[in-house]
Amino acid sequence: AQKVTQAQTEISVVEKEDVTLDCVYETRDTTYYLFWYKQPPSGELVFLIRRNSFDEQNEISGRYSWNFQKSTSSFNFTITASQVVDSAVYFCALSAYSGGGADGLTFGKGTHLIIQP
Amino acid sequence: DTAVSQTPKYLVTQMGNDKSIKCEQNLGHDTMYWYKQDSKKFLKIMFSYNNKELIINETVPNRFSPKSPDKAHLNLHINSLELGDSAVYFCASSPDSRGTQYFGPGTRLTVL
Repeated sequence: AQKVTQAQTEISVVEKEDVTLDCVYETRDTTYYLFWYKQPPSGELVFLIRRNSFDEQNEISGRYSWNFQKSTSSFNFTITASQVVDSAVYFCALSAYSGGGADGLTFGKGTHLIIQP
Repeated sequence: DTAVSQTPKYLVTQMGNDKSIKCEQNLGHDTMYWYKQDSKKFLKIMFSYNNKELIINETVPNRFSPKSPDKAHLNLHINSLELGDSAVYFCASSPDSRGTQYFGPGTRLTVL
């Protein structure tokens, strides 16, 4: 069974601060994918990034960066110079493919990020 | 050009009624899903369909039934609605069973 833990329920920072959202996952599969999704106050789920288990290269996209470490089963997300528009709930998710079928995404409970002006 | 669309966006109904939520994707994806997000925002997979075949069915009451008339549509039928069914239901699609999932806007279901 898969499990995703986002230990930070809520984080509040002042605009322009850097903030890191933690994600720890558990799976017995050797092939798996990790995701981050953003859910702004309007409610939709916005895809941010996907990483496969064989690619530990960190990624940067503008103010967003992701640190994937298999040794610690973590896939952390950092926002640099945060902005009020970054305020949202962020979900880390995992999908694994033992047996070859689509098991859907296993989500963490989400981290509510509040950026104060 | 909405990629994954759901109707209705809001659904308010009485306990015991039967209702449906429709989902359509115009991405040409092979796999579609339904997720439930509860009041604490926890997201859980309910069903997935790959080429019109049900792949997984989590521990969801049999009052819930997915129906896929074609590859672009996956509708969710709910019979005998209960108070605990109140939630936001998200449809999603992916190119295949291993691809990135793209979500619809969600349907907020309220059972009175």
